[in-house]
Amino acid sequence: QKEVEQNSGPLSVPEGAIASLNCTYSDRGSQSFFWYRQYSGKSPELIMSIYSNGDKEDGRFTAQLNKASQYVSLLIRDSQPSDSATYLCAVNPSDGLSTNAGKSTFGDGTTLTVKP
Amino acid sequence: DGGITQSPKYLFRKEGQNVTLSCEQNLNHDAMYWYRQDPGQGLRLIYYSQIVNDFQKGDIAEGYSVSREKKESFPLTVTSAQKNPTAFYLCASSPTSGFNEQFFGPGTRLTVL
Repeated sequence: QKEVEQNSGPLSVPEGAIASLNCTYSDRGSQSFFWYRQYSGKSPELIMSIYSNGDKEDGRFTAQLNKASQYVSLLIRDSQPSDSATYLCAVNPSDGLSTNAGKSTFGDGTTLTVKP
Repeated sequence: DGGITQSPKYLFRKEGQNVTLSCEQNLNHDAMYWYRQDPGQGLRLIYYSQIVNDFQKGDIAEGYSVSREKKESFPLTVTSAQKNPTAFYLCASSPTSGFNEQFFGPGTRLTVL
């Protein structure tokens, strides 16, 4: 079992729809969770961080965290063609080792295509 | 204007050559990371460093070497021992306190001729 798992996709939604991206993780004690967007040929860009159970909204993006079920999701409302990218989920470990502070485990990403 | 810079953007290497990829940050972050990304794949950690003059191997360190002589700089050398080095190389940095989000540089695309 991978430490961080994402549906590889591709996920295709029509313009204006809600895109839902899911991520599960194996380390029950994980405390920090991140979503990155990566356009083709470019580097990942941090778009959302979430640390507490529940929802966190930022514009058209909502991150949802459920620690009991060990999943984190990203909702994109009113999807636009410019949202077409690969979305990477990242989780920070909970082992408390100073050598692992900030060391994230990344999922393989879900590719989203928003069709006009 | 804070950020992470990587150079060069594109690099071509002949087989048997060592090459060094540059990564510099002015975010005052303690931690720095090197990842490799192959086409259609996720990120694989090569090396990381939490403090100057110290670094740890990641999941795929064989054939690579790093140094961390300054807080701002974390160069990666791809040695001739790396048998399949053609890939997209990403450098990132993060604080080691607080929420530890990683921020990425623009990447270096290495091609072996």
